[in-house]
Amino acid sequence: DAKTTQPNSMESNEEEPVHLPCNHSTISGTDYIHWYRQLPSQGPEYVIHGLTSNVNNRMASLAIAEDRKSSTLILHRATLRDAAVYYCILCPITGANSKLTFGKGITLSVRP
Amino acid sequence: GAGVSQSPRYKVAKRGQDVALRCDPISGHVSLFWYQQALGQGPEFLTYFQNEAQLDKSGLPSDRFFAERPEGSVSTLKIQRTQQEDSAVYLCASSLRVGTLGEVIGNIQYFGAGTRLSVL
Repeated sequence: DAKTTQPNSMESNEEEPVHLPCNHSTISGTDYIHWYRQLPSQGPEYVIHGLTSNVNNRMASLAIAEDRKSSTLILHRATLRDAAVYYCILCPITGANSKLTFGKGITLSVRP
Repeated sequence: GAGVSQSPRYKVAKRGQDVALRCDPISGHVSLFWYQQALGQGPEFLTYFQNEAQLDKSGLPSDRFFAERPEGSVSTLKIQRTQQEDSAVYLCASSLRVGTLGEVIGNIQYFGAGTRLSVL
């Protein structure tokens, strides 16, 4: 499976933007970039995904580098509720039932 | 609508005891996954069902682990003769609706809150 690399942790202040980086230099042309997050004592939840173009939804934005070897999850205004572990995961297009391969993720702390 | 439901939320077992963990997926979801999450680690894949068929069980750590989904809805993960190393959170996820023409709709996995298993 293609691998992703994320920093271990990041801190942010409440109501400020947060940029969470992810490197995936071995990504294949048929891999989507997915982000999930896991709040304390909960299961992971889907945040956003993209293939080549930048994506926006109500939770976040995803900026994908032109060569697709890296991406950044952007939380526009961090809240205390956004403190979680964020996972960047590659999912093959054709594997509609693909298992998710999680790494350790990046732990985001939000200061009030 | 209701999300993925797992029960029990917490389970304490004595070493050697058998346990059964239940997962109720989102109604209509074809795919069901089980993951194991050790403390401080990301979830790791155990097994996958499409309807009642177990299509991938490559992640099951030993033959003490067994999963079933007999009617293509509720799934049970059973662990026989539990060991201390089995202590973890067990997560269930469901995904994929299939349209009336058999087309796949969606590839996002929806997770339950997990069952925390402690083996003493």
